[in-house]
Amino acid sequence: DVKVTQSSRYLVKRTGEKVFLECVQDMDHENMFWYRQDPGLGLRLIYFSYDVKMKEKGDIPEGYSVSREKKERFSLILESASTNQTSMYLCASSLRGVEAFFGQGTRLTVV
Amino acid sequence: GENVEQHPSTLSVQEGDSAVIKCTYSDSASNYFPWYKQELGKGPQLIIDIRSNVGEKKDQRIAVTLNKTAKHFSLHITETQPEDSAVYFCVEGSGNTGKLIFGQGTTLQVKP
Repeated sequence: DVKVTQSSRYLVKRTGEKVFLECVQDMDHENMFWYRQDPGLGLRLIYFSYDVKMKEKGDIPEGYSVSREKKERFSLILESASTNQTSMYLCASSLRGVEAFFGQGTRLTVV
Repeated sequence: GENVEQHPSTLSVQEGDSAVIKCTYSDSASNYFPWYKQELGKGPQLIIDIRSNVGEKKDQRIAVTLNKTAKHFSLHITETQPEDSAVYFCVEGSGNTGKLIFGQGTTLQVKP
């Protein structure tokens, strides 16, 4: 079974902190994604990576950066957390052009 | 670039009735259109997908249709059951990179 693991299920951080969300997949997938999910807005793509060290901005990259140094790991970085970044963050991985598998999500609260 | 509009945002049907969710997309180069179901507290899971060289695909009670000319695609669920209650997302997939853009989601409630 494909497994996508996010490092934390729940996270509380203070405004201005640098926050790291980690995601690891065990199926040698080329593609990895970071989405945020907010009520009524669906899943909005923050960043997408199609290979090691390759990334592409999604719809809402402002305030975020990503790192993919190894194929299995994709990190989302909030450079200086703000309250409007309070959300559910979902990581996913896929082979190109087929089913994406999601992690269990990280609910981040910025206070 | 890719952009997906999904309607309706909420849908309530009686058990046994049909449910239809519609999406439009913007990038004519997109060629992969999956649908995901998200149950409470879980990540989205693929339920069916269709590629741009096919107009219709069916899997038991679920069918998807694709109109490439109009850039529309739809999900049809027949004989709905209470366990079909969930949030459904349509997705536009880019063939070149595999980038996946989600619609806004439809909350389906099936009343017993």
